[in-house]
Amino acid sequence: QVQLVQSGAEVKKPGASVKVSCKASGYTVTDYYMHWVRQAPGQGLEWMGWINPNSGGTKSAQKFQGRVTMTRDTSINTAYMELSRLRSDDTAAYHCARGGSVWSGSAADGLDVWGQGTTVTVSS
Amino acid sequence: QSVLTQPPSASGTPGQRVTISCSGSSSNIGSNTVNWYQQLPGTAPKLLIYTNNQRPSGVPDRFSGSKSGTSASLAISGLQSEDEADYYCAAWDDSLNGPLFGGGTKLTVL
Repeated sequence: QVQLVQSGAEVKKPGASVKVSCKASGYTVTDYYMHWVRQAPGQGLEWMGWINPNSGGTKSAQKFQGRVTMTRDTSINTAYMELSRLRSDDTAAYHCARGGSVWSGSAADGLDVWGQGTTVTVSS
Repeated sequence: QSVLTQPPSASGTPGQRVTISCSGSSSNIGSNTVNWYQQLPGTAPKLLIYTNNQRPSGVPDRFSGSKSGTSASLAISGLQSEDEADYYCAAWDDSLNGPLFGGGTKLTVL
């Protein structure tokens, strides 16, 4: 079945970087946009950005521009999100989520498959 | 606008019908479709309603969505205990060039 499996929990110090992986199965990662959404403890959902895994093109929320890098490795059907210059308020669960088809010409679509989330804790 | 506006909480008794509202603006709900997500405690969000009123396969028809202008709503009829969860609306925002989420509504089944 279609699923996204993310890498395990991370503990990082302020100023460090974290890279989260998201392995797709049951479909080809290059066929659908991949979004990254985070959720701080007890808080709501916050969209971070998307990648078109077919072209490699990305778009990130202004809040994260300059700190977030989204990439993919098509040979292993996996997407990645790296967040740099971590702060304590980056402590959150980070989810990858499948968006619409890249062939539709628009990234605007419901997020129909979600990864289980990767908890990132930033603490000195 | 940083988030779409939802009530922080809602409640109902088993069998009741509850609605959750979601208010936005012309750059998001007013010009794009609305999706709803259900997040059960300790789990990842799940797509519940897409394109305003469509249900993915497996979602009971007790769940329905609607949209009018810059607002949308989620209705749950025949409320069940397993519906106790957080519910988020979302709509593509033309300024953000990405999905904008509501702040979430915690539904309690009394």
